[in-house]
Amino acid sequence: LAKTTQPISMDSYEGQEVNITCSHNNIATNDYITWYQQFPSQGPRFIIQGYKTKVTNEVASLFIPADRKSSTLSLPRVSLSDTAVYYCLVGDKAAGNKLTFGGGTRVLVKP
Amino acid sequence: DAGVIQSPRHEVTEMGQEVTLRCKPISGHNSLFWYRQTMMRGLELLIYFNNNVPIDDSGMPEDRFSAKMPNASFSTLKIQPSEPRDSAVYFCASSLGGALTDTQYFGPGTRLTVL
Repeated sequence: LAKTTQPISMDSYEGQEVNITCSHNNIATNDYITWYQQFPSQGPRFIIQGYKTKVTNEVASLFIPADRKSSTLSLPRVSLSDTAVYYCLVGDKAAGNKLTFGGGTRVLVKP
Repeated sequence: DAGVIQSPRHEVTEMGQEVTLRCKPISGHNSLFWYRQTMMRGLELLIYFNNNVPIDDSGMPEDRFSAKMPNASFSTLKIQPSEPRDSAVYFCASSLGGALTDTQYFGPGTRLTVL
């Protein structure tokens, strides 16, 4: 079964850019790629979504190569409040297009 | 808007007991999802409904788990009988449209502990 994989953790400092890559080599053909942020004791919260190339909103950018087998969430100039776990979510073609979350990347922003 | 509402927020029960988790989706949303989150397995989709109809329940672990959505504003996830390995945080989420990757809005979760 294809997996949706992300690095387990990343450390950064305030003001730096953080890039998190999710590998989803069996993504469903017509599905979007969505990223969520989760703080302790809360449900995940939508950050950004895209289908291909680049998407930018007020909090992040999402880069998706032409083959769509990976995606990179970019958080510009992080602050302490960006410390959280970040998840990618895709439809897995190998699992009948079932929604599959990546394992999550714990980002720690240090002062 | 109140967002997705889940109750209870915490539940502690003994093995063998029946557990019912409740969810009220955002008004006007057409899809509802139930997830389970554990350290070992991460976030797993259990079941989702579209227009109150179960579409995919392939993530439901076994027959002990059942979910219903009697109307557009209420859903339940029931575990009977409960086992210690069911201990997890259960999230309900809703989305406006019917596409699987429409933006989902998550509730605060129910932390279940089965002793």
